[in-house]
Amino acid sequence: QKEVEQDPGPLSVPEGAIVSLNCTYSNSAFQYFMWYRQYSRKGPELLMYTYSSGNKEDGRFTAQVDKSSKYISLFIRDSQPSDSATYLCAMSQISNSGYALNFGKGTSLLVTP
Amino acid sequence: DTAVSQTPKYLVTQMGNDKSIKCEQNLGHDTMYWYKQDSKKFLKIMFSYNNKELIINETVPNRFSPKSPDKAHLNLHINSLELGDSAVYFCASRGGTSNTQYFGPGTRLTVL
Repeated sequence: QKEVEQDPGPLSVPEGAIVSLNCTYSNSAFQYFMWYRQYSRKGPELLMYTYSSGNKEDGRFTAQVDKSSKYISLFIRDSQPSDSATYLCAMSQISNSGYALNFGKGTSLLVTP
Repeated sequence: DTAVSQTPKYLVTQMGNDKSIKCEQNLGHDTMYWYKQDSKKFLKIMFSYNNKELIINETVPNRFSPKSPDKAHLNLHINSLELGDSAVYFCASRGGTSNTQYFGPGTRLTVL
């Protein structure tokens, strides 16, 4: 079993829809949780960062972490065609691991006009 | 100014050759990383340096050798390239106690 599981999709939604992206993980030592967005042939771009459990909101994006269920989510409100990309969840342990990120395989999202 | 830059962006080479990829960050961060993204888009850590010291060395063939001349630069040298080395290699950097890592644009390596 991989440490981080993410449904690869693809996920296709109409413009304006609410998008829900999820990851599950098995390592209870993970404390830092991130979502990255990657456009085709580009580097991953940090979207959201959360330490431990809780919610975080930034504009149209909301990240949720439920450590008891080992489950993280990213919600995108009022989705736009420009949101079409691959979304990667990533997580890491505290500093003695060098903070190396463990990634999910990414979910491909297509927002159609 | 680009925060994390990599050169070259594309690298096409023959099996058996030796090649290097360079990475530079202007964020003042102490820690830099190399990740490999395979054909299925899965990103996996390879190496990490903190202030020129190797702190992560995952199970990577010893044909891959990272070098950090200073904390702003982390290079990756690959000897005797194999077909399976074809991938996109990303450099990233991290500063302070935050775990936010910033990625470069990637180097797409194709081994023929």
